[in-house]
Amino acid sequence: ELKVEQNPLFLSMQEGKNYTIYCNYSTTSDRLYWYRQDPGKSLESLFVLLSNGAVKQEGRLMASLDTKARLSTLHITAAVHDLSATYFCAVHNNAGNMLTFGGGTRLMVKP
Amino acid sequence: GAVVSQHPSRVICKSGTSVKIECRSLDFQATTMFWYRQFPKQSLMLMATSNEGSKATYEQGVEKDKFLINHASLTLSTLTVTSAHPEDSSFYICSARDYMRQGAQLPYGYTFGSGTRLTVV
Repeated sequence: ELKVEQNPLFLSMQEGKNYTIYCNYSTTSDRLYWYRQDPGKSLESLFVLLSNGAVKQEGRLMASLDTKARLSTLHITAAVHDLSATYFCAVHNNAGNMLTFGGGTRLMVKP
Repeated sequence: GAVVSQHPSRVICKSGTSVKIECRSLDFQATTMFWYRQFPKQSLMLMATSNEGSKATYEQGVEKDKFLINHASLTLSTLTVTSAHPEDSSFYICSARDYMRQGAQLPYGYTFGSGTRLTVV
């Protein structure tokens, strides 16, 4: 059974600081997704990572994937208040052909 | 890009009544759709996988008779919460797996609806 663990679950940081969110998963997968969710809203797709060593960047967010370690990271550079949201990683479950979500990281960026 | 429309966005119903939530893929055919439930400050929990023209596959612990799923066409799946109770109050989100998106790098991706906030009073 695929299990996805995300940490930290809650992150409070100052504007301008850097931080990393971690996503570990338990079984082999061929792709991993990162999503953002604002309060009361649905999910917004951020990144899809397809292969070992994949790195994608959009603005202040950068995601990477290490399939051997079964680990993905979402790095935040020089955080701004607008990045405050909950971030989810989701791992493609090859066996069931569906997504399994991590517990989410609630990010709060303080001015 | 692929768009999934979900309605209603918000519904309040009385305990004991039924509520239907619709999920439509607007610009692609979705042979498979997923229904999730999300409680406040928690992650998404998969309730069921809906396949066009066949019965839905429910996750363990999800009552089939309470959460009726119909996927009668390639663009529409519905979730009906029957005899709703206050504990069914939650945020319900659908997702569609897109096989036929032109120009995509992936054989398929996952597109999410905007969600439905259900409050049972």
